[in-house]
Amino acid sequence: DAGITQSPRHKVTETGTPVTLRCHQTENHRYMYWYRQDPGHGLRLIHYSYGVKDTDKGEVSDGYSVSRSKTEDFLLTLESATSSQTSVYFCAISARFGNTGELFFGEGSRLTVL
Amino acid sequence: TQLLEQSPQFLSIQEGENLTVYCNSSSVFSSLQWYRQEPGEGPVLLVTVVTGGEVKKLKRLTFQFGDARKDSSLHITAAQPGDTGLYLCAGEVTSGSARQLTFGSGTQLTVLP
Repeated sequence: DAGITQSPRHKVTETGTPVTLRCHQTENHRYMYWYRQDPGHGLRLIHYSYGVKDTDKGEVSDGYSVSRSKTEDFLLTLESATSSQTSVYFCAISARFGNTGELFFGEGSRLTVL
Repeated sequence: TQLLEQSPQFLSIQEGENLTVYCNSSSVFSSLQWYRQEPGEGPVLLVTVVTGGEVKKLKRLTFQFGDARKDSSLHITAAQPGDTGLYLCAGEVTSGSARQLTFGSGTQLTVLP
């Protein structure tokens, strides 16, 4: 199994509170991604990183920010959580970008915003 | 608007039956991947198809990429309960210098013993 650890795995929080999800990899892969998964929508890309301090927006980036200060860590922050951000969040890594590289996924972080 | 449409959304069949799930789009993809996801876990890559008309086989699973690279299908022969899971297709779209991988909404397959 690819060495990807997401934390926390489960979190319940209240509307308006900040939340940070962490993704840690031991594979030294260049690319890291944050996706959210909701019923009927599949996986939607929030943000991705192509190197330390190099990040870019995905299709559903509003309300989210990311940071990558080290190769192995990619943080996803919800500055002020809303109920619409209740979802399962997956971190993924790849050695190459897009379909040319295999995405390895973490086990997911289930976030509930009340 | 979903760039990749998967059908059916849900499929429940008996062990031993054959099935096909589809992944369709109006966009042309440079390549397409199929993933399988089990409950409580992240998706796992099954196959990548790159060439229009390409057919790949993985034991009882047959994957086909359409000639125009706009669609793909996954056929499972003699399904087994272990095939149960969410099947996701993912296509790479290139727009200028930007490349993005987009996922379909998935087909939830249940194989009953």
